Amino acid sequence: ETGVTQSPTHLIKTRGQQVTLRCSSQSGHNTVSWYQQALGQGPQFIFQYYREEENGRGNFPPRFSGLQFPNYSSELNVNALELDDSALYLCASSFRTGHYEQYFGPGTRLTVT
Amino acid sequence: QKEVEQNSGPLSVPEGAIASLNCTYSDRGSQSFFWYRQYSGKSPELIMSIYSNGDKEDGRFTAQLNKASQYVSLLIRDSQPSDSATYLCAGGGKLIFGQGTELSVKP
Repeated sequence: ETGVTQSPTHLIKTRGQQVTLRCSSQSGHNTVSWYQQALGQGPQFIFQYYREEENGRGNFPPRFSGLQFPNYSSELNVNALELDDSALYLCASSFRTGHYEQYFGPGTRLTVT
Repeated sequence: QKEVEQNSGPLSVPEGAIASLNCTYSDRGSQSFFWYRQYSGKSPELIMSIYSNGDKEDGRFTAQLNKASQYVSLLIRDSQPSDSATYLCAGGGKLIFGQGTELSVKP
């Protein structure tokens, strides 16, 4: 059984640029959630995708957007990067939407300079 | 606003002792709660899930849920230095996390 994978591992971008982060869900899972974790804080929910549709969104501006593909993999796009976007971005997959266990990938460390 | 709160610690216990981690939540409608362990520089790892009032045991870990008091706890028996990490409490289908409790187990 393949776990959740994310790419890239690390990324350095300049303020104002755009970034795309990728996630492959665990085998058998059809729901992907994205979280942002700032240093010393708990992860914050960005949004969730189920069957290629956004299924809930946290308190993040529209410049954070996403996609889910038919194979349940997902992308997180962030436009007009700001310094405060520097964080660990975590993808989690679950068997389906609802109160199911979520399993995290290794994360992408984004640094905005 | 839905919230999950934890003591940030650090919590220090000697090797072999019981570590007790606590969490409170504000959303009475939450049906599921999870404990994640996060080592420094790594992603969260699910260690326990609990959905019903009472205790749930898995090896050295016991999760406790009291919905009336809106309280979740995690007990780690026979604590080992390898248990030293940040423990994150989370609730709901779209996980709401506490800020984490840093646990240090001293040999």
